[in-house]
Amino acid sequence: DTAVSQTPKYLVTQMGNDKSIKCEQNLGHDTMYWYKQDSKKFLKIMFSYNNKELIINETVPNRFSPKSPDKAHLNLHINSLELGDSAVYFCASSRVMNRKQETQYFGPGTRLLVL
Amino acid sequence: AQKVTQAQTEISVVEKEDVTLDCVYETRDTTYYLFWYKQPPSGELVFLIRRNSFDEQNEISGRYSWNFQKSTSSFNFTITASQVVDSAVYFCALMFDTGNQFYFGTGTSLTVIP
Repeated sequence: DTAVSQTPKYLVTQMGNDKSIKCEQNLGHDTMYWYKQDSKKFLKIMFSYNNKELIINETVPNRFSPKSPDKAHLNLHINSLELGDSAVYFCASSRVMNRKQETQYFGPGTRLLVL
Repeated sequence: AQKVTQAQTEISVVEKEDVTLDCVYETRDTTYYLFWYKQPPSGELVFLIRRNSFDEQNEISGRYSWNFQKSTSSFNFTITASQVVDSAVYFCALMFDTGNQFYFGTGTSLTVIP
């Protein structure tokens, strides 16, 4: 009965590889997000999708591509992984009521280590 | 420009002491929302509280209390009688009424020493 789930929890991979992180929410929310948390714990938004449409796309390398097959899923694909991509990636979701976003609820995070 | 400032990077207290985590925000909007999240050593981000800008009433939940002061643009968080389980990184966040972005502070790492 996890609200926001991410897989995998840990991901260790070599530079240059392509990898994906999956996110699913069962809260019935219509907006989902990806955040990156660096080694200094700074949380930065990467993408936001509302009803499967991209609404926020911060300055993120083109190697990162979000894909939302439906409102409950927002996956993150990363091509040609670099050392600097090592971080914790958090998925989050929220509901929009009367065109106002409500509280964001976060997944457990995916710890990515690029060697 | 930093919209949320958590000036305290790290705080250590002895168990049972009270501790206040500061959060100062910046906005010209009249309607906005403030949040606190807890990130324990296990890494997940746990929602603690949401406060609307038009509701300046302070809130208490068990040992946790929040002091919202619009006059000083602050939304401080106090833990009373701290416990070791309170050790975590605490994030303050700001959301505007329009748009979908959360602006997180840089976090305050709290260590409660037994």
